[in-house]
This record gives sequence, structure tokens and C-alpha cells, in this order.
Amino acid sequence: EPEVTQTPSHQVTQMGQEVILRCVPISNHLYFYWYRQILGQKVEFLVSFYNNEISEKSEIFDDQFSVERPDGSNFTLKIRSTKLEDSAMYFCASDPGTRSEKLFFGSGTQLSVL
Amino acid sequence: GEDVEQSLFLSVREGDSSVINCTYTDSSSTYLYWYKQEPGAGLQLLTYIFSNMDMKQDQRLTVLLNKKDKHLSLRIADTQTGDSAIYFCAARGTGGFKTIFGAGTRLFVKA
Repeated sequence: EPEVTQTPSHQVTQMGQEVILRCVPISNHLYFYWYRQILGQKVEFLVSFYNNEISEKSEIFDDQFSVERPDGSNFTLKIRSTKLEDSAMYFCASDPGTRSEKLFFGSGTQLSVL
Repeated sequence: GEDVEQSLFLSVREGDSSVINCTYTDSSSTYLYWYKQEPGAGLQLLTYIFSNMDMKQDQRLTVLLNKKDKHLSLRIADTQTGDSAIYFCAARGTGGFKTIFGAGTRLFVKA
């Protein structure tokens, strides 16, 4: 069964450093998302991406965050200058289209900012 | 704003039924979901229900929706130790891009 894959599974970085989290969505999907889950808290929506542009973003997704689909298969989340509070599990997701009820998630990247 | 609330823990004995409850605030939510998360894994879609349905059954899983009270429940019949996981309730509106999640209910199944 096709799946969303994320790399790396764990990332440790120093505060102030840039990180790029990578995702390969399911190949025929059109909508891509990033969510995050701080330990013990809710899974929070960060951003959705369609047709090579951001379609919706949350308040969390400030100027420190950016997303890109550089080559038609990868979907990346960049955090320019990481803060301690960026430590979380980051989930990538994709779905086939707006009328699809199913969102497919990757297994996540655990980001630890020291 | 939109919110989804659920209790944090549930403990049941193997073979019993588990009922996990959830409330949501956005009355325009069209799709309501239950996701399962096992340790070290991503979010696995278990089942979902459209807002125009009251109930959906899928093998051991039964979803009940009370749209008036904005209450969703997931019943797992004959709960097994392999059902131990975190269960997330989530809601999504028509044409909306974001899905709103609850904090997850950790289900413990005692043998």
C-alpha cells in the first residue's frame, strides 16, 4: 500500500540552527500538509500546500517556517532558526484532493532542539 | 476557534468494550475521524463518519455521532492488548484544508 515517508525519523539540532524536514507524499496526491505534536499536547495544523503554493497556514507557521516542493516528489518543511519550543514530532500528510475524506500521515520526524 | 476535546486516559480489561468519547466545537465539521497512534508510528486512520450519519460500524469498531451535541464516540468491541494505543478524534470541514485534532486518549488494555 502506498505510504507517506518522512526522513529523518529523529533530528537533533542546536538552538538557532536551520533544519529541513523531508517528506515524500503519496505519488498521485495533490494536497500536502505539515502538522506537529508537542509532547503530551494536541496534534496541531501548521500548513497546507496545493499547486505549488500555501493554501492555508496556522498562527504557528510564522516567518521562521517555510515549505517547498522542490522536485515534484519531495515536500520539505524548513525552520530557519530553531527555538527550544520547536521541539516536537512533525508529521507530514497528503490527500488525493479536496473532496477526499482521507488524510494519509507519515510516521513523523521527532525534532529535538537543544 | 475550532476545538476538539477528549479524555486523556482509558483503561479496560481484555475482552471488554472500550468507549472513547470526543466533543468538537465547529458545527460545520463535515468529516469526523478516529486515528490510532502506536508507539513510534504515525497516525493511522481507523475510521471516519460523515456528519449526515449517526452511526458507522466497521468490524469491531462502532462510531456514534450526535451532531446536535457535537459528540463523537468510538466503541471497540472485544478489546485486545493490541488495541493499546493513543486514539485521536479529529474534525474537518468541507473544502477546508486543516483537520483539527484532539489531544488523544491513551487506551490501556489489561490482560
